[in-house]
Amino acid sequence: EVQLVESGGGLVQPGGSLRLSCAASGFTLSQKWMNWVRQAPGKGLEWVATVKPDGGQQYYVDSVKGRFTISRDNANNLVYLQMNSLRAEDSAIYFCARGAFDHGWRFDFWGQGTLVTVSS
Amino acid sequence: DIVMTQSPDSLAVSLGERATINCKSSRSVLYTSNNKDYLSWYQQKPGQPPKLLISWASTRESGVPDRFIGSGSGTDFTLTISSLQAEDVAVYYCQQYLAPPLTFGGGTKVEIK
Repeated sequence: EVQLVESGGGLVQPGGSLRLSCAASGFTLSQKWMNWVRQAPGKGLEWVATVKPDGGQQYYVDSVKGRFTISRDNANNLVYLQMNSLRAEDSAIYFCARGAFDHGWRFDFWGQGTLVTVSS
Repeated sequence: DIVMTQSPDSLAVSLGERATINCKSSRSVLYTSNNKDYLSWYQQKPGQPPKLLISWASTRESGVPDRFIGSGSGTDFTLTISSLQAEDVAVYYCQQYLAPPLTFGGGTKVEIK
């Protein structure tokens, strides 16, 4: 059974940092593009970042470039999102999403998400 | 960036009737080298993560009921629910995956009339 379990969310002050983790199971992580997508409370979906199966290439939405870093540890079936210089507008549920077999930039399986709240 | 615009923002449809959701991209998401449209549709029910319904504009994912129909090409796309069921109450999103930044439409909320 495919599972993606996010963790690491919480309340953080503006300017602070958090590292989100996504634990993958039920498939071979090293073969999949992996992604983070966020959703502010009551709002729509926003793609945040994508990492290639070997970790050698990453893409980011402009609003997080230079502040967020996506990475992966295929040996331990983990995907990370390091978030620095957090702002109030980064408050959202962060979903880990698996790239599909035939194109890694569409998302065929999602975790339940972890909530990040940026507030003083 | 490719901007995805959905309409309407919400709609209420009677059980068994048709629901139609539109999605327009600011530039074509058709990749001419393989003649494929890089467009997906997702369904998100309250309190749940999104679920992939349709990819390549019209290909249903495994297990998705055939009442969900995707159509369109280039810049204009439609998701049709041919006979609305109670379990279809959700927000529906389109997404282009032709090129980063990957972008979603704003969502369409479907309710029962």
